[in-house]
Amino acid sequence: AQSVSQHNHHVILSEAASLELGCNYSYGGTVNLFWYVQYPGQHLQLLLKYFSGDPLVKGIKGFEAEFIKSKFSFNLRKPSVQWSDTAEYFCAVNAGWGGATNKLIFGTGTLLAVQP
Amino acid sequence: EAGVAQSPRYKIIEKRQSVAFWCNPISGHATLYWYQQILGQGPKLLIQFQNNGVVDDSQLPKDRFSAERLKGVDSTLKIQPAKLEDSAVYLCASSTEAGTGLYEQYFGPGTRLTVT
Repeated sequence: AQSVSQHNHHVILSEAASLELGCNYSYGGTVNLFWYVQYPGQHLQLLLKYFSGDPLVKGIKGFEAEFIKSKFSFNLRKPSVQWSDTAEYFCAVNAGWGGATNKLIFGTGTLLAVQP
Repeated sequence: EAGVAQSPRYKIIEKRQSVAFWCNPISGHATLYWYQQILGQGPKLLIQFQNNGVVDDSQLPKDRFSAERLKGVDSTLKIQPAKLEDSAVYLCASSTEAGTGLYEQYFGPGTRLTVT
């Protein structure tokens, strides 16, 4: 069965610090990978996604993620965080495409708190 | 473009009572998803509709949960009877279609259910 692991449950950073959130998945075939973000009081929003091609994908608000197939990883990065990045971040995987069912398997989430 | 609408936003019921949630997807989105998010966990897919047909309900507890999507637009999710462990946020999402590998799921604000 597919699964997604997020190693950091809570992360506290100061503004301008660099961010890297880990995400590993278990599935040997073709995958689509996503990072979603949930700001306080708001709904889940897509941050970035990887389907194919360049393994380094750029998303909104200066976020990027790198797909490393050999490590089954899709870590999220940002060089310099801001207070407004305080949110919960979810990694998700969808295994295979072209089929009728495309459910997302989510990790447990990482709560990021950025201190001003 | 209007987002995914859900109601109610909050609901408190006693165990063994019944409850229903409503979702209106983004106009034109053929695929609709219901997720359950228990505190401290990532969202878990309960059921996926393609138009008004069920594509995946493998994780729906069918002895107490039911869902329908009449006319392929709005959807309702019902729990009858509720148990304490059903306390969670119920998220509705929609996408243009599944199976292309290029879809994005848009999430609603969720309904927070508390079962006492």
